[in-house]
Amino acid sequence: EAGVAQSPRYKIIEKRQSVAFWCNPISGHATLYWYQQILGQGPKLLIQFQNNGVVDDSQLPKDRFSAERLKGVDSTLKIQPAKLEDSAVYLCASSLRLAGPKETQYFGPGTRLLVL
Amino acid sequence: KQEVTQIPAALSVPEGENLVLNCSFTDSAIYNLQWFRQDPGKGLTSLLLIQSSQREQTSGRLNASLDKSSGRSTLYIAASQPGDSATYLCAVLISSGSARQLTFGSGTQLTVLP
Repeated sequence: EAGVAQSPRYKIIEKRQSVAFWCNPISGHATLYWYQQILGQGPKLLIQFQNNGVVDDSQLPKDRFSAERLKGVDSTLKIQPAKLEDSAVYLCASSLRLAGPKETQYFGPGTRLLVL
Repeated sequence: KQEVTQIPAALSVPEGENLVLNCSFTDSAIYNLQWFRQDPGKGLTSLLLIQSSQREQTSGRLNASLDKSSGRSTLYIAASQPGDSATYLCAVLISSGSARQLTFGSGTQLTVLP
């Protein structure tokens, strides 16, 4: 079974530029998550999709971050304009259904973003 | 607001030692607690999942316990090996409005010396 795919793996941009990340979840997984992991910290959930609808985006900085999941499969996360504090690893995860007591999430390798 | 704390932040042990990693959380209203492993430059891999009604789970040399009333979990690694070197993250699944989300600790960076 193929895992969660993400691209690019690394990205370096200057502040105020825009950047986009792509995620392809495990086939058949209805739920997709985007996390931000700052160096030395645990991942923090940014947004959660169930099929192509947003379930939770309460921690997404909506003035600069946006995400979409067209057709309930692939997803893109965009930052525009980027700030220095956006430097982090952006992790995508998926699960078969909405998180339940027995459900775990499967994580991709992440995209490491450096904003100069 | 749920907070998850992991102690110690870093740990270095010689190969073959048994070790314990600690995790604490502030709100006992959780659906489950999970332990993940993160290798440098890679994503997270789920090691053990303990449902809120359970007390422990075992997988090979790993054993995780959960005491929901006291807000604590431990991950026990027996006979540690250099290949166990990684960052170990604890996370609890909680309600967030109509959704459910994982709240993570900052992790324990483990180094097992040959």
